[in-house]
Amino acid sequence: DIVMTQSPDSLAVSLGERATINCKSSQSVFFSSNNKNYLGWYQQKPGQPPKLLIFWASTRESGVPDRFSGSGSGTDFTLTISSLQAEDVAVYYCQQYYTIPRTFGQGTKLEIK
Amino acid sequence: EVHLVESGGGLVQPGGSLRLSCAVSGFTFSSYNMNWVRQAPGKGLEWVSYISSSGSTIYYPDSVKGRFTISRDNAKKSLYLQMNSLRAEDTAVYYCARGQYHLDYWGQGTLVTVSS
Repeated sequence: DIVMTQSPDSLAVSLGERATINCKSSQSVFFSSNNKNYLGWYQQKPGQPPKLLIFWASTRESGVPDRFSGSGSGTDFTLTISSLQAEDVAVYYCQQYYTIPRTFGQGTKLEIK
Repeated sequence: EVHLVESGGGLVQPGGSLRLSCAVSGFTFSSYNMNWVRQAPGKGLEWVSYISSSGSTIYYPDSVKGRFTISRDNAKKSLYLQMNSLRAEDTAVYYCARGQYHLDYWGQGTLVTVSS
């Protein structure tokens, strides 16, 4: 199984500042035949289901604010929130869909400093 | 508007069975692959099963293989998860989610509690 490891486990950032969450996979999730990284990012607020933010590592889902961006390739990925807003307080998960079983990172809890 | 609504959760004793349902609307259900994902209380997300649009391809992780069965009825626009031989560690909120790869729509979830 591919193990997804996120860092840090929790993060406190001031409003308007940049937040960066890292995700590392135990093996590459890059498929060379289509040049895609099989990696997604989700946001989960308390009492709500997860919401897709980013897919194929860097493609923003429709309706997601452009302050959210994804980057990386192979085994190392980053979710960046360029200017933290109060409504961004949540737990963030990465997920690989390169192989079965699909696996998620353990989550990163983002709070306001 | 896309909607996924899970039902069928509840309290069940260890070793018991439960069948979850997910009713969908707002998209052509028969064209989409579907999944179940669970979340134990206060814990992270765990993918539980996948079924292709036609039902011909099905996957499970080892943690539920042989105990859980995913199925679908495209005419009824519904997804199912039959859970047998339930264990305390199966206690979780179970979500149905749409997608072959990334999961773009999720239901609100249904809580399954396995306890004596």
